[in-house]
Amino acid sequence: KQEVTQIPAALSVPEGENLVLNCSFTDSAIYNLQWFRQDPGKGLTSLLLIQSSQREQTSGRLNASLDKSSGRSTLYIAASQPGDSATYLCAVRGDYKLSFGAGTTVTVRA
Amino acid sequence: EAGVAQSPRYKIIEKRQSVAFWCNPISGHATLYWYQQILGQGPKLLIQFQNNGVVDDSQLPKDRFSAERLKGVDSTLKIQPAKLEDSAVYLCASSSPTGRLSYEQYFGPGTRLTVT
Repeated sequence: KQEVTQIPAALSVPEGENLVLNCSFTDSAIYNLQWFRQDPGKGLTSLLLIQSSQREQTSGRLNASLDKSSGRSTLYIAASQPGDSATYLCAVRGDYKLSFGAGTTVTVRA
Repeated sequence: EAGVAQSPRYKIIEKRQSVAFWCNPISGHATLYWYQQILGQGPKLLIQFQNNGVVDDSQLPKDRFSAERLKGVDSTLKIQPAKLEDSAVYLCASSSPTGRLSYEQYFGPGTRLTVT
């Protein structure tokens, strides 16, 4: 059974600092890994999807890396802003199923 | 393109009552998912449909939960009777195309259920 862990559970940084969010998973036999953002009371918004054959994906200030052999992914958010405050979840896709971590709740202080 | 629609957004019921949630996926998406997200946890898959057939319902508590997807489009998730531990956000998601390497999932806003 796939286990996905996100550490830390919460993070608070001053505006402008770079954010580094970690995700680890136990079974390296994955098809892809997806990072989501969740605002309070809202659904999930997909940020980046990395296929198992890829090492990283970038979108604007966001960059996600994937090391499948070691079961790790990292989401980097450059020059954080108060609007980046949210919970970030990673999910890995095995056979037709996404397994989610519990998320990292980020607070960016103005 | 319109996103995944869900209703209602909020529901408060007493234990032992029944409740139903509705989901309309993105047009043309063959795969539809229902997740349960308990506060402080990641979403847990309850059931996955491919068109109107069930692909995976291994984590659906079948003694009280049921789901259907008639005509391969809209879906309804029902709980009967509800328990206190069913308090959670119920998320619907859809994806396409059907290729294994491209299952990017798009989520609706969710329905927050409170059972008192």
